[in-house]
Amino acid sequence: TQLLEQSPQFLSIQEGENLTVYCNSSSVFSSLQWYRQEPGEGPVLLVTVVTGGEVKKLKRLTFQFGDARKDSSLHITAAQPGDTGLYLCAGPGGGNKLTFGTGTQLKVEL
Amino acid sequence: DTEVTQTPKHLVMGMTNKKSLKCEQHMGHRAMYWYKQKAKKPPELMFVYSYEKLSINESVPSRFSPECPNSSLLNLHLHALQPEDSALYLCASSQEGQMWYQETQYFGPGTRLLVL
Repeated sequence: TQLLEQSPQFLSIQEGENLTVYCNSSSVFSSLQWYRQEPGEGPVLLVTVVTGGEVKKLKRLTFQFGDARKDSSLHITAAQPGDTGLYLCAGPGGGNKLTFGTGTQLKVEL
Repeated sequence: DTEVTQTPKHLVMGMTNKKSLKCEQHMGHRAMYWYKQKAKKPPELMFVYSYEKLSINESVPSRFSPECPNSSLLNLHLHALQPEDSALYLCASSQEGQMWYQETQYFGPGTRLLVL
């Protein structure tokens, strides 16, 4: 079974700060997705990265796929309260499953 | 339209009740899924339907019974649930269904279930 470990597990920061969330595995993934889930809602896809070393930007969010396709990171610049939520990485895993990461709970306070 | 809808949004049921959760999508997707999610944890896969046939059952107890009446609808029938079954139940869909685990999944808002 391919596992995706996210760090940190919890993060509480002030508005305007920068942060990075990591998604790591010992296995190679053909692609990785990042989702954000707000309280009381389902996960919403933010981005899919498919090429080793790829960098994608979505406004203040920067996503990177590791060269070896075993890890990914999400960097948020100047965090805002609207960024609060559960961030999940996910990728096609063994047994024909979509493997979700362990999750990072982010809280951005005024 | 990239929307997956789920009803009801909230459900409270006793351990002897029978209820159903409903999921609908009109994106022409051929794969649909049920997930269970506990608070602040990642979703756990329960069932996968591909082209209206049950493709994966993740050893889910028989008190959960999925049904796919057509390519747009997915139901989850609930009977004799336990308090530990209380969770957010998420439905998702993806386009092709053949290699579904590599596809982008679109999630509904979920049904928050409380079993008393």
